[in-house]
Amino acid sequence: AQRVTQPEKLLSVFKGAPVELKCNYSYSGSPELFWYVQYSRQRLQLLLRHISRESIKGFTADLNKGETSFHLKKPFAQEEDSAMYYCALHSGAGSYQLTFGKGTKLSVIP
Amino acid sequence: DAGITQSPRHKVTETGTPVTLRCHQTENHRYMYWYRQDPGHGLRLIHYSYGVKDTDKGEVSDGYSVSRSKTEDFLLTLESATSSQTSVYFCAISEPARGNTGELFFGEGSRLTVL
Repeated sequence: AQRVTQPEKLLSVFKGAPVELKCNYSYSGSPELFWYVQYSRQRLQLLLRHISRESIKGFTADLNKGETSFHLKKPFAQEEDSAMYYCALHSGAGSYQLTFGKGTKLSVIP
Repeated sequence: DAGITQSPRHKVTETGTPVTLRCHQTENHRYMYWYRQDPGHGLRLIHYSYGVKDTDKGEVSDGYSVSRSKTEDFLLTLESATSSQTSVYFCAISEPARGNTGELFFGEGSRLTVL
């Protein structure tokens, strides 16, 4: 069975400090990994997908198949980054399900 | 934002009463999903649909049923609501051009409280 683990429920960092939100997954095949973000009073939205290998709002995430990880990183946190972040796994063709982690709440302290 | 709306946005009901949540989309997306969001559990899939009258169970489907009689509407029904179903419910849709992918567009959520 596929599983996504986000070990930190809450992560607090100071503005300007680096941020790393951890995500580990369990899946035997070739997964697609995503990061979704939910800002206060807004709907959940896609932040990153590993296939595109892009940087959004200064965030990057690299899929490490050896460590089964997909950590989200940003070199300098901003106050507007405060939000709930969810790592999600899609098991590819033939599956309709997106499995989410339990989420990490990022709080950036001014 | 994709044209996806949920109704009602807030509802308070009593244990044992039936409740129906509606998800409406204007994007002609084939795939639609219902998730519930709970602290400490993240988002969990309840049911999903891959076309009109084509639905299947997700991870936490007990106590819920769904129907999709037309492309634009996906209904979630709690036949007899229980306090454990107090949650925020999110509908999501997938882009048809990309087929079955993990990139979802979410509604604004429906907060249900069962007393």
